[in-house]
Amino acid sequence: GAVVSQHPSRVICKSGTSVKIECRSLDFQATTMFWYRQFPKQSLMLMATSNEGSKATYEQGVEKDKFLINHASLTLSTLTVTSAHPEDSSFYICSASSPEPSGNNEQFFGPGTRLTVL
Amino acid sequence: AQKITQTQPGMFVQEKEAVTLDCTYDTSDPSYGLFWYKQPSSGEMIFLIYQGSYDQQNATEGRYSLNFQKARKSANLVISASQLGDSAMYFCAMRFAKAAGNKLTFGGGTRVLVKP
Repeated sequence: GAVVSQHPSRVICKSGTSVKIECRSLDFQATTMFWYRQFPKQSLMLMATSNEGSKATYEQGVEKDKFLINHASLTLSTLTVTSAHPEDSSFYICSASSPEPSGNNEQFFGPGTRLTVL
Repeated sequence: AQKITQTQPGMFVQEKEAVTLDCTYDTSDPSYGLFWYKQPSSGEMIFLIYQGSYDQQNATEGRYSLNFQKARKSANLVISASQLGDSAMYFCAMRFAKAAGNKLTFGGGTRVLVKP
């Protein structure tokens, strides 16, 4: 149980285009989903927190107009990188949180999406 | 300020030996949760172990145990009987009670390489 999927796993795009990444909780309803960015050899940095049906809360320094987050249902959140540039190339990881099944409000992570902007 | 520190950027360990990964934190909150994750080269984040700040006993999960010293604000991960498959990045993370939305703050990570 507690499986989170991400799609696509890898994407290469041209500078100036937009890329959408999906995050799905497959066997539980996620009250909250998180989006992280990880540059090579660095730690995970939280970009934003999203709750179903409400606007995402962005961390300081993250442009909300560039990184559009939609949390349309309890099992799906999407991150759209708009007008991507090479400096947006990174590993994007989502996680989903629920009071169940462990009771720890544990975050379950997706496998990540590697974005390369040419 | 709430901060997580992993002071070991990388370490080698001999197969079958134990290894301790350091994690210290700084918070004034009495209630918090501690997590350790493993990240192999594939990039997925694998949950290893959890410790609540009010838990009386140190958490254990198979070969993983957490040496929780609350007064010293440390939560070191001990991996016993290391295996080649343990080679990966390891992240300590904390959830602070006052953090809105159940957010996690991650340490900088420690890269472990198990030698045969």
